[in-house]
Amino acid sequence: NAGVTQTPKFRVLKTGQSMTLLCAQDMNHEYMYWYRQDPGMGLRLIHYSVGEGTTAKGEVPDGYNVSRLKKQNFLLGLESAAPSQTSVYFCASSQWTSGNGELFFGEGSRLTVL
Amino acid sequence: SQELEQSPQSLIVQEGKNLTINCTSSKTLYGLYWYKQKYGEGLIFLMMLQKGGEEKSHEKITAKLDEKKQQSSLHITASQPSHAGIYLCGAEHAGNMLTFGGGTRLMVKP
Repeated sequence: NAGVTQTPKFRVLKTGQSMTLLCAQDMNHEYMYWYRQDPGMGLRLIHYSVGEGTTAKGEVPDGYNVSRLKKQNFLLGLESAAPSQTSVYFCASSQWTSGNGELFFGEGSRLTVL
Repeated sequence: SQELEQSPQSLIVQEGKNLTINCTSSKTLYGLYWYKQKYGEGLIFLMMLQKGGEEKSHEKITAKLDEKKQQSSLHITASQPSHAGIYLCGAEHAGNMLTFGGGTRLMVKP
């Protein structure tokens, strides 16, 4: 089982460039999430999706857009990258049944914006 | 998140020593999740606590959720170098999502 797969794993962008991070899960999970991790700040939720065709804002959504056209994929887009978006991005998925909200994480995508 | 505070932020212990990491929420917890992250890698689920007073163990790691369901502690007994990493607590406050604390960086000196 691949679980949650993120691509690319590393990327360097110049300020103003755009890019898309792809997250794919093979567990048929309804819920998917994008987090960013910065030193000393843990994980902060950017956007999430509770099912195919749905998206919602998390804690730090500004500067990002997402789409969930297929249940297994959750895309995170940066339209005009800024140095403040240098971070490690994690995708996660969950089935979120009653009493069990365990999130399954990808290995992360390290983005540097120059 | 300010809703979830972890302490300490970092910890260096000698191999074989016990240690405790705390996670305090400003809101009632509907579920508390502990994850471990090895440096440069993804997050690995350790355990979940839901009921006040609940305690779970996995190998040498024990986690507790206090009765009022606003604080959890993670205790490692006889630490080993393999325990090194970043420990994060994630809280289910409302909705189908987790809010994470700032993490605790643990180093274990051989």
